[in-house]
Amino acid sequence: DTGVSQDPRHKITKRGQNVTFRCDPISEHNRLYWYRQTLGQGPEFLTYFQNEAQLEKSRLLSDRFSAERPKGSFSTLEIQRTEQGDSAMYLCAAGGGNTEAFFGQGTRLTVV
Amino acid sequence: KNEVEQSPQNLTAQEGEFITINCSYSVGISALHWLQQHPGGGIVSLFMLSSGKKKHGRLIATINIQEKHSSLHITASHPRDSAVYICAVVRNTGNQFYFGTGTSLTVIP
Repeated sequence: DTGVSQDPRHKITKRGQNVTFRCDPISEHNRLYWYRQTLGQGPEFLTYFQNEAQLEKSRLLSDRFSAERPKGSFSTLEIQRTEQGDSAMYLCAAGGGNTEAFFGQGTRLTVV
Repeated sequence: KNEVEQSPQNLTAQEGEFITINCSYSVGISALHWLQQHPGGGIVSLFMLSSGKKKHGRLIATINIQEKHSSLHITASHPRDSAVYICAVVRNTGNQFYFGTGTSLTVIP
């Protein structure tokens, strides 16, 4: 148990549909990160929250992607009008930076 | 060019062998993390380093800030060590991780 829970673990969706993922850090962490990982590659940064404030967003994050952390605890990542290229593992991490990082198990998205 | 390079990309070892995985980076950093990822996706943090050396059980991680290089060593390797090992750095100008592409380790009994 890494202390970070992600839901769902797997999601299969049709192209054009919207999907939403959730990340719950069990203990209080100011920092929360979303990453995307495709097969055989290392994770790529998507966005970063310090408490409820979204402080950094990658250029990978197109207008179809939006992330929120409304109360500074759990976070959601929504992808609108999904494309096949969005198929990947979406990872959430709490902590990090100059402190230990705790990663969730990830949500594997398949767009068909 | 990736800010973080790992070598080797793939590594097969016999049980009991001493293993070294290398990480080189090209940016100024405030910390370097070694992570372990098993099939199925979960990532576990092994070490966070900003200088020197850390040891945890059979795992040893070292970093040379001047040379922008870190190594992860596994002594007396075991099949359960089979996983992808990822080096990730935190730039001293920001907060996010920059990841290497990982080293896939297979330890054969």
